[in-house]
Amino acid sequence: EVQLVESGGGLVQPGGSLRLSCAASGFTFSRYWMNWVRQAPGKGLEWVANIKQDGTEKYYIDSVRGRFTISRDNAKNSLYLQMNSLRAEDRAVYYCARDDASGSYAMDVWGQGTTVTVSS
Amino acid sequence: EIVLTQSPGTLSLSPGERATLSCRASQSVSSSYLAWYQQKPGQAPRLLIYGASSRATGIPDRFSGSGSGTDFTLTISSLQPEDFATYYCQQSYITPRTFGQGTKVEIK
Repeated sequence: EVQLVESGGGLVQPGGSLRLSCAASGFTFSRYWMNWVRQAPGKGLEWVANIKQDGTEKYYIDSVRGRFTISRDNAKNSLYLQMNSLRAEDRAVYYCARDDASGSYAMDVWGQGTTVTVSS
Repeated sequence: EIVLTQSPGTLSLSPGERATLSCRASQSVSSSYLAWYQQKPGQAPRLLIYGASSRATGIPDRFSGSGSGTDFTLTISSLQPEDFATYYCQQSYITPRTFGQGTKVEIK
């Protein structure tokens, strides 16, 4: 079964750090672009970052660039999001998602999400 | 950044009715890079349509997508009880990828 499972969310103070992980199974992880997408409470979806199959290309939304770092370990079938200098507005459910193989860059497999709360 | 504007914000319909959801882009988007997702409360999004008009694996044929340039449409031909949810369009044509704000389809 194709599956993505996120972990690492929790409560952190403003200015703090958190590292999210996403474990992939059921497919050849190294063949796919991977993404992080977030959803603030009661709000819509916001794409955060993505990373190429070999990790050589990474892209971010402006609001997290310089604070968040996306990475992957293909040997461990894992995706990561290192989040530093967290702000209240980073509070959200964070999903990892796989780009499909059709070349359309749609996100065809999603994890269940992990919740990040930034509060003092 | 490409801004996607979805309308209406909320659609109140009865089971069996046809739903037509609109997504308008602030600049032209290649059809190859326009997708639609369904999300139910407490669940992750699910890919419905990619490439503007291709159904994802396992998606019933009552869901269809169309459009080009700046105007795209998701149509649900006959609403089933499980279709009441929020729908998002999304573009991967230009980074950053962006989503529309969503259309909630609710039971009338």
